[in-house]
Amino acid sequence: DVKVTQSSRYLVKRTGEKVFLECVQDMDHENMFWYRQDPGLGLRLIYFSYDVKMKEKGDIPEGYSVSREKKERFSLILESASTNQTSMYLCATGLNTEAFFGQGTRLTVV
Amino acid sequence: GENVEQHPSTLSVQEGDSAVIKCTYSDSASNYFPWYKQELGKRPQLIIDIRSNVGEKKDQRIAVTLNKTAKHFSLHITETQPEDSAVYFCAARGPSGGYNKLIFGAGTRLAVHP
Repeated sequence: DVKVTQSSRYLVKRTGEKVFLECVQDMDHENMFWYRQDPGLGLRLIYFSYDVKMKEKGDIPEGYSVSREKKERFSLILESASTNQTSMYLCATGLNTEAFFGQGTRLTVV
Repeated sequence: GENVEQHPSTLSVQEGDSAVIKCTYSDSASNYFPWYKQELGKRPQLIIDIRSNVGEKKDQRIAVTLNKTAKHFSLHITETQPEDSAVYFCAARGPSGGYNKLIFGAGTRLAVHP
């Protein structure tokens, strides 16, 4: 069973703070993804990585960066959190086809 | 890049009726089309998928059809049950830029009433 674990289920941060969302997978998958989920907008791809130290922008990368220093860990960084980044963040991993999601982090920026 | 549109955004049916959700995609190079179900408070999970070399696939009460010419694909749920109530997402995957990534539709909230 693939396990994708996100470090926090709920997070409340202040505007301007630097925020780190961590994701760890245990299946040695090369591809890892960060999505944000908003009502009516579905799952939108922020960044993805296909190998260690490699990253590619998704559809909405503005205001975010990522880090992939180890194969099993993919971090999403909000350089300076803003209220419009309040959302559910989902990490995913997959090899060729099926994507396996983490449980999500609900981030509130106040 | 790829764009996926999904309709309807909400769908309400009586138990036992059928439900159909439709998606269109823009990138003709896309070759894999999965459907995910997300129950309230849970993570999305794959329920069925179809590849571009197949026109239809069935798994018990769910089926997916693909029309490559029209660039649309649909999810069909027959004999709906209350436990089918969830948000359903379609997605498309193509070799965009040489790397695989999944682009999702906006989701359909399905409510099955007893």
